[in-house]
Amino acid sequence: GQQLNQSPQSMFIQEGEDVSMNCTSSSIFNTWLWYKQDPGEGPVLLIALYKAGELTSNGRLTAQFGITRKDSFLNISASIPSDVGIYFCAGQVGAGNQFYFGTGTSLTVIP
Amino acid sequence: EAQVTQNPRYLITVTGKKLTVTCSQNMNHEYMSWYRQDPGLGLRQIYYSMNVEVTDKGDVPEGYKVSRKEKRNFPLILESPSPNQTSLYFCASSKTPINYGYTFGSGTRLTVV
Repeated sequence: GQQLNQSPQSMFIQEGEDVSMNCTSSSIFNTWLWYKQDPGEGPVLLIALYKAGELTSNGRLTAQFGITRKDSFLNISASIPSDVGIYFCAGQVGAGNQFYFGTGTSLTVIP
Repeated sequence: EAQVTQNPRYLITVTGKKLTVTCSQNMNHEYMSWYRQDPGLGLRQIYYSMNVEVTDKGDVPEGYKVSRKEKRNFPLILESPSPNQTSLYFCASSKTPINYGYTFGSGTRLTVV
């Protein structure tokens, strides 16, 4: 399957700081999704991106679809304790509906 | 409430003993999928289904079976579980994944001893 490299693997930040994480691939993707997984739960969709260069916000979250279509990043501004969790990127390639997931970024917010 | 329901949440079993993890969705979604989550590997797709009686292999289908006899249900079957199938499993559904992404269940943590 396709490989999505997500970085960083983990982050420890102070409450109020901004966070940035990214996802890269050697393949071109048609759709990028960002999910958050709370402990003991399934991933929940945060943001979906459909066009190269697209910049989309959801509250304090902003994500962009890279111009090359091989990467995407997610920013979280003014982090709060409930931002704790694992963030996954997911990409769709080709004509099908199969999505490939990154390995995740674990975020810890220190109050 | 719109949701994907998996059962059981936790399961410990022995090598070789057949088991089924059930999955049901109440959103009338055409697409359903099974993923496994392992540390450092993220989520990997096992099988997916585009509609009733239509299923296809994902990235890691070996050792698993699925069926889609009804639109709402998509059980995952392990005919002869082995320890390397110890993992966290997620069922997911979608109207159209390319447009809406998947809605995930809460997960089933399986341990095979």
